[in-house]
Amino acid sequence: GEDVEQSLFLSVREGDSSVINCTYTDSSSTYLYWYKQEPGAGLQLLTYIFSNMDMKQDQRLTVLLNKKDKHLSLRIADTQTGDSAIYFCAERDGGATNKLIFGTGTLLAVQP
Amino acid sequence: SAVISQKPSRDICQRGTSLTIQCQVDSQVTMMFWYRQQPGQSLTLIATANQGSEATYESGFVIDKFPISRPNLTFSTLTVSNMSPEDSSIYLCSVEGPVGETQYFGPGTRLLVL
Repeated sequence: GEDVEQSLFLSVREGDSSVINCTYTDSSSTYLYWYKQEPGAGLQLLTYIFSNMDMKQDQRLTVLLNKKDKHLSLRIADTQTGDSAIYFCAERDGGATNKLIFGTGTLLAVQP
Repeated sequence: SAVISQKPSRDICQRGTSLTIQCQVDSQVTMMFWYRQQPGQSLTLIATANQGSEATYESGFVIDKFPISRPNLTFSTLTVSNMSPEDSSIYLCSVEGPVGETQYFGPGTRLLVL
C-alpha cells in the first residue's frame, strides 16, 4: 500500500534555512502537499505541487519534487521561531477517492 | 479557501457513551472527509462523507462505530459510538477546494475518553 515517510525531528537556528524531507511510494500521486500544525491547532495548508512539476516557490517556501526517486522536500528560508511546528507531507491518492495519505510528521524546532 | 468550523472544539466523555461532531463549511463542497489523529501520530482517513448516499469507509473503520451523515453540501456529522479510551484523538473534517487540487482542514475536535 501507499506509504509516506519523514524524519521525525529537525532543529535549526533562527535565520538559517530548514529543509524537511519526505519520501512516498505511490507513483500515481497527482498532487503532493505540505501542511503545518502548530501546538493545539488544526492543519494549515502551506503549499502544494502538481506531480508534473519539479519545483514551486512561494515567498520563503520552496518545494522540490524528484518524481523518479519519489522524494519531496520543503525548504524554509530565513527560519523564524514562529515556524516551529510539526510539518506533514501528504500525497493525494492516485485513484478515485482523492484521499490524502499523510507522512509521520517532522517536528521543526527553531532555536533563537 | 473554505472556512470550516467544527463543534465541539473539545470534549471529555465517559466510556460507553457516544459523541457527535459537526462540521460546517461556508460554501458548497462536493467532497468532505473525516480524519483521525491519535496522540502524537499522523492523520488517518476514516471515511469520505458522500452527499445523499452512505459514507465510504477506509479499511479498519466501520459504520457502526463511526456513523456519518451528509445531509447537504455544506454540513456533515461524525459520531464516535460506544467510546473507549482508545478513541481519544483529534477528529478533523476536511473539504476539497473549489478547483479540486487542495484539501482544507477544520480546526479539529479534541476528544478525551475516560
